Amino acid sequence: EAGVAQSPRYKIIEKRQSVAFWCNPISGHATLYWYQQILGQGPKLLIQFQNNGVVDDSQLPKDRFSAERLKGVDSTLKIQPAKLEDSAVYLCASSLGGQGAGIQYFGAGTRLSVL
Amino acid sequence: QKEVEQDPGPLSVPEGAIVSLNCTYSNSAFQYFMWYRQYSRKGPELLMYTYSSGNKEDGRFTAQVDKSSKYISLFIRDSQPSDSATYLCAMSAGNQFYFGTGTSLTVIP
Repeated sequence: EAGVAQSPRYKIIEKRQSVAFWCNPISGHATLYWYQQILGQGPKLLIQFQNNGVVDDSQLPKDRFSAERLKGVDSTLKIQPAKLEDSAVYLCASSLGGQGAGIQYFGAGTRLSVL
Repeated sequence: QKEVEQDPGPLSVPEGAIVSLNCTYSNSAFQYFMWYRQYSRKGPELLMYTYSSGNKEDGRFTAQVDKSSKYISLFIRDSQPSDSATYLCAMSAGNQFYFGTGTSLTVIP
């Protein structure tokens, strides 16, 4: 079974530039999550999708962050404009949803450095 | 009070030692309890999960859940240098997930 795919693995940008990350979840997983993980901390949920609808985006800085999952499969997360404090690893995870919602599987993450 | 509390360590043990990693939580609605292992510059890898209370064993790893005390543990027997990583506990109620901050473990050869 293929895992959660993310790209790119690394990205270096200057502040005020924009950046986009892509995620393809495990096949058949209805729920998709984007997390931000700052060094030394646990993952912080940014947004959660159930199929192509948003379930929770309460911690997404909506003035600069946006995400979409148009066809209920893969997803993109965008930052525009980036700030220095956005330097982090951006993790995508997926879960079955429904009764299988309890287990999340993560991708390798995208490491973002904002200079 | 945070939903999930985890001692960040760092924890350093000699090879072959038994390691005990712990988390406490406050939400009695949590049903799934997970442990993830995260190597440097990698995404979290699901190590074990338990549904509701009880113990689960997988090779050198044992996960325990005590819902009455709201306390979960991960034991690693015969620890190896390859076990050096950050261990994250996570818990879920439905589609809501909560993570600990992670415990950094180093196993010294």
